[in-house]
Order: sequence, then C-alpha cells, then structure tokens
Amino acid sequence: DIQMTQSPSSLSTSVGDRVTITCRASQDIGSYLAWFQQRPGNAPKLLIHSASTLQSGVPSRFSGGGSGTDFTLTISSLQPEDVATYYCQKYNSAPYTFGPGTKLEI
Amino acid sequence: EVQLLESGGDLVQPGGSLRLSCAASGFTFANYAMTWVRQAPGKGLEWVSSISNGDGYNTYYANSVGGRFSISRDNSKNTVVLQMDSLRAEDTAVYYCAKLKGNPWFVDIWGQGTLVTVSS
Repeated sequence: DIQMTQSPSSLSTSVGDRVTITCRASQDIGSYLAWFQQRPGNAPKLLIHSASTLQSGVPSRFSGGGSGTDFTLTISSLQPEDVATYYCQKYNSAPYTFGPGTKLEI
Repeated sequence: EVQLLESGGDLVQPGGSLRLSCAASGFTFANYAMTWVRQAPGKGLEWVSSISNGDGYNTYYANSVGGRFSISRDNSKNTVVLQMDSLRAEDTAVYYCAKLKGNPWFVDIWGQGTLVTVSS
C-alpha cells in the first residue's frame, strides 16, 4: 500500500506568516490528492482537491501544488481562524490513506 | 443544503456489534458514492470503507476492518450503513460519514460524526 507522510508534524506560527506544509506519497499518485482542515472539536473540511483545485468557498490564501509524489499546501497569510490540523489524503485508488496531519498553532 | 447525520454510536463490549447509520439530504443520494472515516481520540483520520453510487455494487475496506465491517446503502431511504462486528478496543473512535465526488472519488462533504466506544 502507498504510505503518506507530512512535514512538519506541528508548526508554531504568527498571524500574517506564509506557511507551507508538505505531503509525500511513497509512490506516484498523479494529482489525486486532497487537503483537509480540521479545527479543534469540528469535523474535517475539504480545502483542495486534484492537488491544486480550491474547493468553492475556501479563501484564496490557501493554495496547493505538486504532482506525482510531492505536494504542498500553502497559506499565504495566516489568519487566527487557520489554527487547525491539516491532513492530506490520496484518492487515486483504495486504500484512501490520509497523512498523519500537521498541527498549526499561533 | 447538503447534510449528513450519523447515528448509532454507543458504548459496546469487545467482541460486540454495532450498526451506524448516516442519513443524507440536500442532494440526489443515489448518484454519489459514500464513505466512512474514523478518528481515534487524539489521533489522525483513518479511512474505513467506501461504497459506489447506484446499487452500491463496489465496496472497499481498510485492512484493519476487512472481514469485520460491512458497508451498504439504501437509496430509498437516503441512508448509508456501516455494520461493525467483532469490535475491538482499537475501533474506539469518532466515525464520520462523508459524501464522495468526482472520478476517482474524493470527499467533499463531511458529517459531524458519531462516537463509538469499545470497552468492558
């Protein structure tokens, strides 16, 4: 099975910072990667699919990039409401594995 | 508005069974694949199972639950069900129902989750 890793596992940031989270797949998954945000106590929320397509209603400060095995999620200017854990997930085929998550703190 | 409402979470003893339901509304349920994802306390997200749209002919399971869990759907009731048997302590988690979109599928809408606790 394809394994998913994320780095860093946690990040202490400041409002206004540019933040980049990396997700790596152990094999080529094309562009079949999604990013989710999970705020404390809430269900996850889709941010990006197809590696770089912003989900409707998601602020434009979020962007995704990459293909194959290496992917990034970038927040261009961190806002207080962005405090959350971020997960990547592969969806090219089952099993639809999630990365272990990246926790952002301010 | 698309809504997914899970139910059925409870405290159950190891080796027991539990049936989770997810009631969908706000979209043409039969047209979309559905999935279950779980999250153990303080841990990350784990994909559990998915079922195709229409008659639900195609089903998929994580290795950790294969042979113990079964996913099904009832399009007349706009409901997807996760039957969980031979439950273990490590199955303790919040179970989320989610709607899938696209080809291949990705999650676009999540429910709020239901808590399953496996303990004696």
